Amino acid sequence: GQQVMQIPQYQHVQEGEDFTTYCNSSTTLSNIQWYKQRPGGHPVFLIQLVKSGEVKKQKRLTFQFGEAKKNSSLHITATQTTDVGTYFCAGPGGATNKLIFGTGTLLAVQP
Amino acid sequence: NAGVTQTPKFRILKIGQSMTLQCAQDMNHNYMYWYRQDPGMGLKLIYYSVGAGITDKGEVPNGYNVSRSTTEDFPLRLELAAPSQTSVYFCASRPLGTALDGYTFGSGTRLTVV
Repeated sequence: GQQVMQIPQYQHVQEGEDFTTYCNSSTTLSNIQWYKQRPGGHPVFLIQLVKSGEVKKQKRLTFQFGEAKKNSSLHITATQTTDVGTYFCAGPGGATNKLIFGTGTLLAVQP
Repeated sequence: NAGVTQTPKFRILKIGQSMTLQCAQDMNHNYMYWYRQDPGMGLKLIYYSVGAGITDKGEVPNGYNVSRSTTEDFPLRLELAAPSQTSVYFCASRPLGTALDGYTFGSGTRLTVV
């Protein structure tokens, strides 16, 4: 079945350092979504990418969709302690009615 | 708007017991989903529904049942609870018409089976 993998599983950074998580799908995706889950919380939708090679920015967060639409990345510039949490990518599982979530990357930020 | 409301927030079950996890949304969303998240892991789709009266299996449906009699409610039933069902359960929804909308998640039900 379809698999969505993320690397790294865990990253610990000093506040102010940059952070990147990578998402790779076993199949071509029509679109990809990114979510953030704070410790003990629920996933919160961040953004969706649809076009090949698309790049979107939200303040210090930059999201990119690969040219082949099989991979994506999230880059955070100058991390802050408020960025702590697990970042998930998610892509359509076959029919567009359901999302298959990636394995997630847990980000720890040391002040 | 309350969004997606899940009850209860916490529950401890004994092996073999049954329970229903409640999920309600007040956004008139057609699509609803149940995911489980094991400690330190990602989310696995259990069941989903594209509208009242229509449900379908996800990746890990065994040991669970769902129903969707109204647009607002999407309860998840656990029959004969097993320790492997210890997890955090999230309900989510999104509106009809486009795959471009992100999911809105509830705050989750933390279930322990002992």
